[in-house]
Amino acid sequence: GAGVSQTPSNKVTEKGKYVELRCDPISGHTALYWYRQSLGQGPEFLIYFQGTGAADDSGLPNDRFFAVRPEGSVSTLKIQRTERGDSAVYLCASSSTQGATEAFFGQGTRLTVV
Amino acid sequence: DAKTTQPPSMDCAEGRAANLPCNHSTISGNEYVYWYRQIHSQGPQYIIHGLKNNETNEMASLIITEDRKSSTLILPHATLRDTAVYYCIVSPTSGTYKYIFGTGTRLKVLA
Repeated sequence: GAGVSQTPSNKVTEKGKYVELRCDPISGHTALYWYRQSLGQGPEFLIYFQGTGAADDSGLPNDRFFAVRPEGSVSTLKIQRTERGDSAVYLCASSSTQGATEAFFGQGTRLTVV
Repeated sequence: DAKTTQPPSMDCAEGRAANLPCNHSTISGNEYVYWYRQIHSQGPQYIIHGLKNNETNEMASLIITEDRKSSTLILPHATLRDTAVYYCIVSPTSGTYKYIFGTGTRLKVLA
């Protein structure tokens, strides 16, 4: 079956612009995670959804970052007034429930802010 | 900060066992050890996890010391496709969680 799908795979935007990154989790997965990965670093947790609600958004770096999951499946990460420091690979992961032992990651969206 | 320490890089000959160490000296009694790997330009992939006992699956074996302060991931017969960054993660639950990744070990399998 299909894995976690992230679109676009690459996004180049100008400093100050608004961007949306989309994540389609595996069908039926209730838990969804967003991570950010800078070059040479491990992924850094941003936000976790259980169903439609954000159960933990403690990793969002500031109020320019926001994520939604209105119907409990697709999620969108939104970044306002992008800065060059936002350039990174944004990864999405899903698992069948919070109790599942394995998270499935997408291939990520590479965001470049110029 | 990550609760684990791993060597930044390792090489392994193709067909030989790759033994990747991880130190987690501050691990709590109810925390699990997870391993993920990330092949270039892909998202991380789950390998294995354990609490106290050694674990084995189709991908790898996980050996956890008796005091649980360190562990070793073993790939019994490394192939070129195993070249990746391997992350050792300590998690407070056996379920998926907001993992704290370190910088991992970059394993290079040599032909």
